[in-house]
Amino acid sequence: SQELEQSPQSLIVQEGKNLTINCTSSKTLYGLYWYKQKYGEGLIFLMMLQKGGEEKSHEKITAKLDEKKQQSSLHITASQPSHAGIYLCGADLNTGNQFYFGTGTSLTVIP
Amino acid sequence: KAGVTQTPRYLIKTRGQQVTLSCSPISGHRSVSWYQQTPGQGLQFLFEYFSETQRNKGNFPGRFSGRQFSNSRSEMNVSTLELGDSALYLCASSLGRGQETQYFGPGTRLLVL
Repeated sequence: SQELEQSPQSLIVQEGKNLTINCTSSKTLYGLYWYKQKYGEGLIFLMMLQKGGEEKSHEKITAKLDEKKQQSSLHITASQPSHAGIYLCGADLNTGNQFYFGTGTSLTVIP
Repeated sequence: KAGVTQTPRYLIKTRGQQVTLSCSPISGHRSVSWYQQTPGQGLQFLFEYFSETQRNKGNFPGRFSGRQFSNSRSEMNVSTLELGDSALYLCASSLGRGQETQYFGPGTRLLVL
């Protein structure tokens, strides 16, 4: 079983459309990270959320953390082809020994 | 600052061989973590080194080992390679103080034949 589940698994949207990716934890979240990965490459850090209710934005990407629901969402406004890639959430679930990543969401943006 | 670098970028090995991958962290970062990424299992934590000591370990067999040098550079070794070890191996560095951002290298793609 996965400690961090992402939905949807994949997403195909028309350029200009808005979209949301969710990340749900099976354990209490003590901070949540969002990364983006181009296929076969390293991860690019997007944002880190530390407190319940926290919301951060960078360009057209907004991330929120709902600690009570043990969930985070990543919202992209007016998607562009440059947003395409795999989005991964990651968290230290305070298990004492490792950092976990979500199952990943593959985003395709059609021009 | 230069980012995290990993060498080599691509590697082809045969079953039974061993392999060593290298990771140079961002200057000033003392923690290096290693991850394995496969289509089936996703991104999985291997281990973390901080100040030349293994601080955390994931659920991988003993064939996977690592070390860290005094300059924080890290190496990962996989012995007796199996076909299932084919993966993208990523390393990430951070300051090592906890609850902080990890910065990733471009990865080493290992193919085991």
